Amino acid sequence: GAGVSQSPSNKVTEKGKDVELRCDPISGHTALYWYRQRLGQGLEFLIYFQGNSAPDKSGLPSDRFSAERTGESVSTLTIQRTQQEDSAVYLCASSLMSAGVSYEQYFGPGTRLTVT
Amino acid sequence: QQPVQSPQAVILREGEDAVINCSSSKALYSVHWYRQKHGEAPVFLMILLKGGEQKGHEKISASFNEKKQQSSLYLTASQLSYSGTYFCGTDWRAGGTSYGKLTFGQGTILTVHP
Repeated sequence: GAGVSQSPSNKVTEKGKDVELRCDPISGHTALYWYRQRLGQGLEFLIYFQGNSAPDKSGLPSDRFSAERTGESVSTLTIQRTQQEDSAVYLCASSLMSAGVSYEQYFGPGTRLTVT
Repeated sequence: QQPVQSPQAVILREGEDAVINCSSSKALYSVHWYRQKHGEAPVFLMILLKGGEQKGHEKISASFNEKKQQSSLYLTASQLSYSGTYFCGTDWRAGGTSYGKLTFGQGTILTVHP
């Protein structure tokens, strides 16, 4: 089976433009996570989906960031009015989910966003 | 609440051993370990669960001290392929919610030379 895929792999955009980043999780994985990784840094949690619901949006850095998931599958992370500090690699991960059980997360290759 | 990893960097020769530590200020449900090679996505290595259960690779071992809120990753007889940045991700659950949200440490850079 295919792993987690993300598109585009690279995105260069001008400051102030909106961007959409896409994640296709592993089929059957009900949990989906978005992380941000700045150059040389660790992974910063952004948002989590259980099915199509997002019970935890606590990591979204500002109201310019939003995400949705449809069909318990594809997720889109949207950044409006991009700023230079948004430049980073955005990673998506998916996992199985069951109450009380912690499963390994499988990461996609990431989208490298550069805001000029 | 970011866990603290130590050391920040390790340089080894092939065949040498290394230990990477991860400490949290919060009571943990589980600890996850991942390795990331330059320009690639993080790859799962191991999960250590509260209560002692482990899931992971054969050639890597780890410990989880729930009382001290610490985990250690043991890399023995290192190979060139072990080079990369190692991250621990801690799963602590406020209010009993259970969904595996991970808070990652800053990473430990491991370099193995021939």
